Amino acid sequence: GENVEQHPSTLSVQEGDSAVIKCTYSDSASNYFPWYKQELGKRPQLIIDIRSNVGEKKDQRIAVTLNKTAKHFSLHITETQPEDSAVYFCAASMGSGNTGKLIFGQGTTLQVKP
Amino acid sequence: GAGVSQSPSNKVTEKGKDVELRCDPISGHTALYWYRQSLGQGLEFLIYFQGNSAPDKSGLPSDRFSAERTGGSVSTLTIQRTQQEDSAVYLCASSLGTGGKTQYFGPGTRLLVL
Repeated sequence: GENVEQHPSTLSVQEGDSAVIKCTYSDSASNYFPWYKQELGKRPQLIIDIRSNVGEKKDQRIAVTLNKTAKHFSLHITETQPEDSAVYFCAASMGSGNTGKLIFGQGTTLQVKP
Repeated sequence: GAGVSQSPSNKVTEKGKDVELRCDPISGHTALYWYRQSLGQGLEFLIYFQGNSAPDKSGLPSDRFSAERTGGSVSTLTIQRTQQEDSAVYLCASSLGTGGKTQYFGPGTRLLVL
């Protein structure tokens, strides 16, 4: 079945460094790729998303890149801050058409050390 | 405005009992999703509702799980004859339609089956 692989499972960086999280997906019909941030004990919150008709999107310190040919997409956080510490999930839409179903990766625990 | 709400926030039950989890989506959101998040894991899709269409139940793990959405708003997820492996956080999300619309998550219901 469809799946999303996410790496690494844990990532520790020094404050100010960059962090990169990578995901691969299997469903060639996927066309929507959101990233969620989940702080401990809280609900997941969307931080950025990208659609299949673009290759890159930026929002301040956060950027996402998409390679549809290779079926992978990545999250880039620059100038990391301690408040960026959280679990990050990638997701990919399932199937063709206008479905809202998402398959999520297993998550990356990011620790930013001050 | 008010976000997605869920109740109860925590539920402890005995193996074999039935439980009902409630989700109140954001007003006006036509799509509603249920996910399950086991400890330290990603989000597992369970079921979604879109407008008046038949729900997509493809993620329900067994026939002990069912969900309904009354009047296109509130949804209830029912787990019958609970098992210990059902212990997890059950998250509800809603969106303004599908096809790449942002899914907003509720705080979740933490279910513990003893």
